Parts: sequence; structure tokens; C-alpha cells
Amino acid sequence: EAQVTQNPRYLITVTGKKLTVTCSQNMNHEYMSWYRQDPGLGLRQIYYSMNVEVTDKGDVPEGYKVSRKEKRNFPLILESPSPNQTSLYFCASSLSLGNEQFFGPGTRLTVL
Amino acid sequence: AQSVTQLGSHVSVSEGALVLLRCNYSSSVPPYLFWYVQYPNQGLQLLLKYTTGATLVKGINGFEAEFKKSETSFHLTKPSAHMSDAAEYFCAVRDAGGTSYGKLTFGQGTILTVHP
Repeated sequence: EAQVTQNPRYLITVTGKKLTVTCSQNMNHEYMSWYRQDPGLGLRQIYYSMNVEVTDKGDVPEGYKVSRKEKRNFPLILESPSPNQTSLYFCASSLSLGNEQFFGPGTRLTVL
Repeated sequence: AQSVTQLGSHVSVSEGALVLLRCNYSSSVPPYLFWYVQYPNQGLQLLLKYTTGATLVKGINGFEAEFKKSETSFHLTKPSAHMSDAAEYFCAVRDAGGTSYGKLTFGQGTILTVHP
């Protein structure tokens, strides 16, 4: 089944404790992206990648890192999480820029 | 920087009435345009998209949208609302060129409520 998977789905952590949210797609998509969703703000793009080893900042990259060593994986890294990074995070992928993005199920992160 | 404005954070209609959700963007270069729907506790699902060609785009569940370059708009419509249309709708714009090529910007979302 074609899908985007994210892990974990729910995470509660404390300020400063490094964490990684994994994202994987099995559709051989070139384009992958991370978003955070906050009430009243819609989805805001954190980072995106147009291919392996090619990443770029979105609208809200501060406090986040990403890597794209393989086509299928695009992990989101929070080196030192802070409470303002409490949010719902979505990973998405698409074949190319003009194509539909497929979204993962979301990761709800709480930073205490 | 690209910006996307959805007029009205909440829209309420009666079942069977016209649905109109408004979206305006700021890019001077015709971008790629998308409408997504999010049902409670779920991810986003594509309703329709415009890349090139015909400016009236039909999507799933009876929705359609028209790209109007002169108005920089991409409003979403459905002739007759159904209870199952109740959800949050997001307009999204992807720059097709320039320095922010590849970046996708979402509007803040419009929650659609459908009354019996």
C-alpha cells in the first residue's frame, strides 16, 4: 500500500531532550516536506527536500534540522526542543512539485 | 514572500446550499494551486489542484475551483452542501519559479459547518 508513515504518532518530552521524528514513503517520491499545524495558523512548512541530499528551509525552520540521505526517508530532528515546538507535525511527499502531496498521519508532540 | 489568505476562518451553510470558500494569494508569477480537506483527527487529503491549462478545475466530492489570474484568486465551490462536507479546508500555493521554488504555503484554514 502506497503510504507515508511517521513515528512516533504521539510524543511527550521535556525541554532540551533531543528527539527525532521519522518519516518514510514507499512511492519513490522525489519531493518530501515537513509541516507543523497550529490552531488558527494553518500548516506552516518547516523544511522541504527536492531530492536526495537537497534540502531547503521553509517558513519556520528555526529549531529544526532535517536530512535526506535516502530517497524514502526524511527525518525531522529537534536538537533542543522547547515548549513553543509543541504542535502537530505532518510529513508529506509528492512525485514532483506539481503533483499531489501525500500526507502522513501526523505526530502530536508535547514539550514540557 | 508568498502569502495565502483564506477569507473567513469559519463558514456555516445549510445542507443543500452553495458552498463558497475564498482563497487569495500574493504571487505575481502563476503558481501551482491546491485545495486540501482535513477531517477531524486525520491528515490532509487533496481535493483538487491547478497547475496549467483549464482554469476551472474539478475535484473530488463535487468540489470545483476557478483560477483567476487577474484577481489572484482560487475560490472553492460546491453547488450543494452535504453533511459529510463538514471539515477544515486549506488552500495552498506552491511557487513555480523564483528563489522560493518548491516552497509550499498554506492558508490558515476555513472550518466548514453544515447545518441540517
